[in-house]
Amino acid sequence: GAVVSQHPSWVICKSGTSVKIECRSLDFQATTMFWYRQFPKQSLMLMATSNEGSKATYEQGVEKDKFLINHASLTLSTLTVTSAHPEDSSFYICSAMGQLLTNYGYTFGSGTRLTVV
Amino acid sequence: KQEVTQIPAALSVPEGENLVLNCSFTDSAIYNLQWFRQDPGKGLTSLLLIQSSQREQTSGRLNASLDKSSGRSTLYIAASQPGDSATYLCAVNQAGTALIFGKGTTLSVSS
Repeated sequence: GAVVSQHPSWVICKSGTSVKIECRSLDFQATTMFWYRQFPKQSLMLMATSNEGSKATYEQGVEKDKFLINHASLTLSTLTVTSAHPEDSSFYICSAMGQLLTNYGYTFGSGTRLTVV
Repeated sequence: KQEVTQIPAALSVPEGENLVLNCSFTDSAIYNLQWFRQDPGKGLTSLLLIQSSQREQTSGRLNASLDKSSGRSTLYIAASQPGDSATYLCAVNQAGTALIFGKGTTLSVSS
């Protein structure tokens, strides 16, 4: 149980285009979704927190107009990287928290490798 | 602001050795501490979760301990195998908040 499906697993896009990453909770209701990014040989850095039906809360230094987060339902959250640039190339991963997960357990998606050329 | 530090950053051992990975955190008011494994280019695999009221958790050859008051945790790997080669991440959170990760320890086990 407690599976989060993240798509795509990898994507290559041209500079200036937008890319959408989806995370779906398959067997539970994800009340909160956390979005992280990880640069090579670095740890996971929290980008934003989104609660279903509310605007996302972004961490300091993360551009909310560039990284659009939508959490319109309890089973789907999306991250859209707008006007992507090569410096946005990174590994993006979502983490879902649901009310029924024991001990505030977190379930992670499998990640998306974004390469902007 | 919570900060998580992992020592060492990298570790190379021969197969069969027992080893210890260290994690420390600055704010002891945590709810959970979790150890993950990450293979190159892959997502995260949860290894062990320790609630703040617990002292340790065990799974197979892995044992994780937590000393909340001193802000420390250790991950003990017994009889290491080449398949254990990966990056091990420590993360902590308060109830309902995001996990805060350390930079990880990259382990290489040679046969």
